[in-house]
Amino acid sequence: SQTIHQWPATLVQPVGSPLSLECTVEGTSNPNLYWYRQAAGRGLQLLFYSVGIGQISSEVPQNLSASRPQDRQFILSSKKLLLSDSGFYLCAWSPTSFRDRGSRVYEQYFGPGTRLTVT
Amino acid sequence: DAKTTQPPSMDCAEGRAANLPCNHSTISGNEYVYWYRQIHSQGPQYIIHGLKNNETNEMASLIITEDRKSSTLILPHATLRDTAVYYCIVRASGGSYIPTFGRGTSLIVHP
Repeated sequence: SQTIHQWPATLVQPVGSPLSLECTVEGTSNPNLYWYRQAAGRGLQLLFYSVGIGQISSEVPQNLSASRPQDRQFILSSKKLLLSDSGFYLCAWSPTSFRDRGSRVYEQYFGPGTRLTVT
Repeated sequence: DAKTTQPPSMDCAEGRAANLPCNHSTISGNEYVYWYRQIHSQGPQYIIHGLKNNETNEMASLIITEDRKSSTLILPHATLRDTAVYYCIVRASGGSYIPTFGRGTSLIVHP
């Protein structure tokens, strides 16, 4: 079965410090990978998604970046954190499958999340 | 992807059926209806999806109206652990890779 891991679970960082959050998926190959952020009491905001190694699409301009050095590894980084970067960061993956006469139907599976507090 | 409308909150007694509505009046023919839920401090969890036929799995049932402009997620016997925010999303097959999560419905199951 497939599993998705994220670490660390919680993180407290000062403003201006760097950030590196890691996400790995097991039990599948060539997944689509996603980074979301959820501010307190808000919905999920898509930050980045990737359809393959080295392929990153950014949804929102910001001081964050993402990389996919391996097929099942997705990293979220920042060189200098801002107070507004605080939030709940979620990594997700989705398979590519063909059902219903060739249509693609994507389900997403989320990791446990990292709660980041920038002080 | 089509926009969805959900009530911001609902409550349900434990052991009763929870019926969560979703309006997607602008849905197009190739768009699927997906439901996820997010328990507090956890990542969203996929529940079920459908195109036009009603669907059932071990977690829930999905009822889609004949005109496909609305749907209802049914938790047949709600438990306290079903307390969560429930998201209804519509997305096209073969289109954008990314579902857009709105505010969802906060379901509170009480004893």
